[in-house]
Amino acid sequence: DAKTTQPTSMDCAEGRAANLPCNHSTISGNEYVYWYRQIHSQGPQYIIHGLKNNETNEMASLIITEDRKSSTLILPHATLRDTAVYYCIVRVASWSGGGADGLTFGKGTHLIIQP
Amino acid sequence: SAVISQKPSRDICQRGTSLTIQCQVDSQVTMMFWYRQQPGQSLTLIATANQGSEATYESGFVIDKFPISRPNLTFSTLTVSNMSPEDSSIYLCSVVTGPLQNTEAFFGQGTRLTVV
Repeated sequence: DAKTTQPTSMDCAEGRAANLPCNHSTISGNEYVYWYRQIHSQGPQYIIHGLKNNETNEMASLIITEDRKSSTLILPHATLRDTAVYYCIVRVASWSGGGADGLTFGKGTHLIIQP
Repeated sequence: SAVISQKPSRDICQRGTSLTIQCQVDSQVTMMFWYRQQPGQSLTLIATANQGSEATYESGFVIDKFPISRPNLTFSTLTVSNMSPEDSSIYLCSVVTGPLQNTEAFFGQGTRLTVV
């Protein structure tokens, strides 16, 4: 089972910041928080990941609480093209390279950007 | 990042037949995976495609139903065998391109399969 909890859906006005929460209260010390999104009819797209420090890239910012039990993905200026399902995934940063591995997807948050 | 090409992008197949899906990457990758996404659902990992050896399957998926090949570092195939309407899903290839530490996975655009 997925180790994260996300709201089923959220709305955000175009041009505003979209803040997507994720709870991961059972996260282990060596597990990172990854975010992916899936725009309709496309494969998932990597957004960002982090361990305990806040992270920022050209797509988004990731804010992780000090106790690491929750995090927030921030899209600073949402556009209509950001409408997608956003997945928060907790996993170790390394790939085993020797067998069963991969990402465990939960149900995600369906973010709808309103014009 | 990597450019991942999946073929076919979509297909409609008769029940009882088999379909082979191809995944081609434009660079050598360290790991390749196959996922299934049933209608309205999230992604589920089917197996890890291992180069030169048998794939590693997740619980609920078996080699007879989903045989996988990975002959080299840039190519893999997934076959959906003896199809039934319940196999109607999107099948996605995913790769890890960098070192095994602190890197992300990339996904192809998927193959949309409809079984009639």
